[in-house]
Amino acid sequence: SSELTQDPAVSVALGQTVRITCQGDSLRSYYASWYQQKPGQAPALVVYGINSRPSGIPDRFSGSKSGNTASLIITGAQAEDEADYYCSSRDSSGSHLVVFGGGTKLTVL
Amino acid sequence: QITLKESGPTVVKPTQTLTLTCTFAGLSLSTNRVGVGWIRQPPGKALEWLALVYWDDDKRYSPSLKSRLTIIRDTSKNQVVLSMTNMDPLDTGTYYCALLLTGDWYFDLWGRGTLVTVSS
Repeated sequence: SSELTQDPAVSVALGQTVRITCQGDSLRSYYASWYQQKPGQAPALVVYGINSRPSGIPDRFSGSKSGNTASLIITGAQAEDEADYYCSSRDSSGSHLVVFGGGTKLTVL
Repeated sequence: QITLKESGPTVVKPTQTLTLTCTFAGLSLSTNRVGVGWIRQPPGKALEWLALVYWDDDKRYSPSLKSRLTIIRDTSKNQVVLSMTNMDPLDTGTYYCALLLTGDWYFDLWGRGTLVTVSS
């Protein structure tokens, strides 16, 4: 399968923990990467690999994977974390293709 | 510091061919295990991967758009060019180029994007 499925919208109270999930067959074999996109801006990488963050990304962002599901976890969500989040991975066909999830709109209450 | 910047027309007519250029600095597309990809986003909608060219000039395309896409790298100019034929109003959106690192297969850096409108 070449699809990654995300919940369209998730909300979290300020300071609480939220998990954004991404499901797909390709995740049984490959890690997901996660991108944050704020209105009017380009996407930016926040988590990749087993659980790695680029320089400058706060450590409240982390990632995990189990079976065909990858998760982006924000521990102690802040107002500035309100954004769209997209997962991505290699396609499960092994043909070096890329697939993106449909995105999750995170609202911080 | 690595940067990527997209350039091209802001408006194209239906049936025309779109040609976009990604100009990058601070990296070489000959470096092992890197690639440059194109991703687009219709207004208010999700990201959609279009094409990739790898350090060894291997090229990959989205299966749903493969017949319309061509990606070419020019290592001497530090550019990657994407062509999309037979443009349709549904192709309207922001087009991004991004640096792919194949170790863990992620887009490490993105350009700011360029908005393309398809309209007669």
